[in-house]
Amino acid sequence: DAKTTQPTSMDCAEGRAANLPCNHSTISGNEYVYWYRQIHSQGPQYIIHGLKNNETNEMASLIITEDRKSSTLILPHATLRDTAVYYCIVRARIGGNKLVFGAGTILRVKS
Amino acid sequence: EPEVTQTPSHQVTQMGQEVILRCVPISNHLYFYWYRQILGQKVEFLVSFYNNEISEKSEIFDDQFSVERPDGSNFTLKIRSTKLEDSAMYFCASSVGGTGSNQPQHFGDGTRLSIL
Repeated sequence: DAKTTQPTSMDCAEGRAANLPCNHSTISGNEYVYWYRQIHSQGPQYIIHGLKNNETNEMASLIITEDRKSSTLILPHATLRDTAVYYCIVRARIGGNKLVFGAGTILRVKS
Repeated sequence: EPEVTQTPSHQVTQMGQEVILRCVPISNHLYFYWYRQILGQKVEFLVSFYNNEISEKSEIFDDQFSVERPDGSNFTLKIRSTKLEDSAMYFCASSVGGTGSNQPQHFGDGTRLSIL
């Protein structure tokens, strides 16, 4: 599975959009980008995933660059409850189904 | 919304004792997983399970560990003889599909295992 690089931490003002970047420059054609978050030692919570098209659900939007080497998770109106560690994970659709977690980005939403 | 449930939320065990961690995956899911997270460290994959067999396991998942789906709803992780370094949060996850599928894994809130 391709390696991902994320900033260690980010701050965001409450009510503003939080844009979390992820670099996955070695991603291959059959690998999906998944985003999870973990709120203070709770279990990782699935947010969204995509292959090459932008995706949106009730939690967030995922913007994947045309070359697929990077992506951005967007929380459109961050709240204090969005303070968490956000993980960007690349996983192949074929050949193994484990998730490999990195250190993620600590997002602090401030009032 | 259906969720993965884990019991107990906190387990305290003496070193050398056996411990069983229990999970109830989401009902229509077919793939099951265990991960662990030592305090302050990354979430680490332990094992995946499908069709009553282990489909993948990590180096951490040695002979002291075993998994079982004893009935149609439970999925368990057993540690035969616990060591101090087994102290961690243990997360169960499940997914509709596994290899060959892009369906996401959904996690429970974990069992905190403390070995004394």
